Amino acid sequence: AQTVTQSQPEMSVQEAETVTLSCTYDTSESDYYLFWYKQPPSRQMILVIRQEAYKQQNATENRFSVNFQKAAKSFSLKISDSQLGDAAMYFCAKTRNYGGSQGNLIFGKGTKLSVKP
Amino acid sequence: SQTIHQWPATLVQPVGSPLSLECTVEGTSNPNLYWYRQAAGRGLQLLFYSVGIGQISSEVPQNLSASRPQDRQFILSSKKLLLSDSGFYLCAWSVRLGATDTQYFGPGTRLTVL
Repeated sequence: AQTVTQSQPEMSVQEAETVTLSCTYDTSESDYYLFWYKQPPSRQMILVIRQEAYKQQNATENRFSVNFQKAAKSFSLKISDSQLGDAAMYFCAKTRNYGGSQGNLIFGKGTKLSVKP
Repeated sequence: SQTIHQWPATLVQPVGSPLSLECTVEGTSNPNLYWYRQAAGRGLQLLFYSVGIGQISSEVPQNLSASRPQDRQFILSSKKLLLSDSGFYLCAWSVRLGATDTQYFGPGTRLTVL
């Protein structure tokens, strides 16, 4: 069975500093997509960033970037210039790329990020 | 732009009572729709997904059911709630973006079964 593992239940960062959240996964597929979602206290899941496994270039969205290591099956999220609004639960997720993924989105258990002023 | 609505936002129900949670999507056609449950302190569990009207696939056998009476409407139901049905229910939609489905989530419904 495919799994997504987030080994850091909680992380803390000082405002304006950089923090990296870890994610590893298990798969036998060669083609798939990876996501990071943010869940603030409101509990709505917000897409932060996504990465296509066939692309070597790491995805970037403003202050958020990923370090995708396909061979190591690792997909970490780096948040630069951390802001108070970044405090949330962060979930790593993986899906499969084929005709109609139809719900094959597998989530990790999440990392709770705290931002200190 | 696309938006997704869920209601009610909060619900408290007694054990054995029925349940109906509704999800609607605006601004897109023929989306894939999903129901997830998030128990306290845990990750998301996919319950149902639908690729079209009347087409429902169940991921986890339980006393919940789902229906899709219209293209952009997805309903989660139960005839008799159990205590274990308590949790946070999230609806999501996706349309093929590039070569995969990126899922976008609604605001969720917090269900407490007493």
